Amino acid sequence: DTGVSQNPRHKITKRGQNVTFRCDPISEHNRLYWYRQTLGQGPEFLTYFQNEAQLEKSRLLSDRFSAERPKGSFSTLEIQRTEQGDSAMYLCASSLPDGRGNTIYFGEGSWLTVV
Amino acid sequence: QKEVEQNSGPLSVPEGAIASLNCTYSDRGSQSFFWYRQYSGKSPELIMFIYSNGDKEDGRFTAQLNKASQYVSLLIRDSQPSDSATYLCAVKAGNQFYFGTGTSLTVIP
Repeated sequence: DTGVSQNPRHKITKRGQNVTFRCDPISEHNRLYWYRQTLGQGPEFLTYFQNEAQLEKSRLLSDRFSAERPKGSFSTLEIQRTEQGDSAMYLCASSLPDGRGNTIYFGEGSWLTVV
Repeated sequence: QKEVEQNSGPLSVPEGAIASLNCTYSDRGSQSFFWYRQYSGKSPELIMFIYSNGDKEDGRFTAQLNKASQYVSLLIRDSQPSDSATYLCAVKAGNQFYFGTGTSLTVIP
């Protein structure tokens, strides 16, 4: 078990460009979450998949953000027309199906810097 | 809006002392409670979880939950310099996990 894998780990992009992050969850985990974290803040929920279905999406997520999990395995998070305010660490996490003790395990994160 | 509140610190304790970290939450329907440790520039890693009232111990760590007071805490015994990090409290409500802003802990050798 290699854990949750994210790439790229670091991305520097110019304002207005599109970026895409990939997440490979732990193999038996059917739930996948995307979070965003800025300095001094806790992770902020963006969206959540159960298998290939996107079940919840934060109201804070603008139309420039889109996430997919086409085969219920890996997921991608795309940010279109990036803005400087998008600079953050984007965290992917996965978990087993529901249960009180089931928790989410994070990948190492993808750092985005928009210049 | 489901809120998770933590004292941002910084909290400083001498090596070998007990560090006490606190968290309150707003949603009474919250089911499970988690503590994550996050080193600077790294992603959060799970320390432990608790879902029943009372104490739960795991090595040097003890989580305490009081659902009536909507309060969860983490005690770190025999604190080590390697414990210096930000500690995030997370609450599960429904299918979502809500995080506090974290408490920064420094253990002074």
